[in-house]
Amino acid sequence: EAGVVQSPRYKIIEKKQPVAFWCNPISGHNTLYWYLQNLGQGPELLIRYENEEAVDDSQLPKDRFSAERLKGVDSTLKIQPAELGDSAVYLCASSLGTSGRRTNTQYFGPGTRLTVL
Amino acid sequence: DQQVKQNSPSLSVQEGRISILNCDYTNSMFDYFLWYKKYPAEGPTFLISISSIKDKNEDGRFTVFLNKSAKHLSLHIVPSQPGDSAVYFCAAANQGGKLIFGQGTELSVKP
Repeated sequence: EAGVVQSPRYKIIEKKQPVAFWCNPISGHNTLYWYLQNLGQGPELLIRYENEEAVDDSQLPKDRFSAERLKGVDSTLKIQPAELGDSAVYLCASSLGTSGRRTNTQYFGPGTRLTVL
Repeated sequence: DQQVKQNSPSLSVQEGRISILNCDYTNSMFDYFLWYKKYPAEGPTFLISISSIKDKNEDGRFTVFLNKSAKHLSLHIVPSQPGDSAVYFCAAANQGGKLIFGQGTELSVKP
């Protein structure tokens, strides 16, 4: 079974440019998460989707960040415009659901390492 | 406000010995705890979990202990192997399912 797929793996952009990350979750996983991981820190949740609905986006900086999961499967996270402080690893994860402990174990993709110059 | 803390950024252990990674939390509403392992350039991989109704969960060489009164959990790896060298993250969840991660501990197992 394929794991969580993310692309690109690495991205280098100039500040003020837009950037987008793509994620395809594990087949059958209804819940999708985007995390931000700064160097030396653990992942921090940006947004959580249940199917196509964003159910927790409280940590998403909405002035420059946006996300979508139009058909309830793959998802895109966008930053426009990027700032120097956005340099980090952006992780996508998926789980079967959030109810019941056996179903809410999250499986992570390899991440996209963003460098903003 | 760091709700989940891993106070040791790194740990070095000899192959064959026990590795003990520690994690403290502050929110008494957390009722489910997980450990993830991360290799360089890869995403975190689920390792083991424990519910707050238990105080121990074992899976092969990995055992997680939970001390609710102390708000402390630990991961024991016995015996440690060089392939266990990675960054280990503990995470805690409440009923809503949101995971809060610690900062990670980098384990180095030396042959």
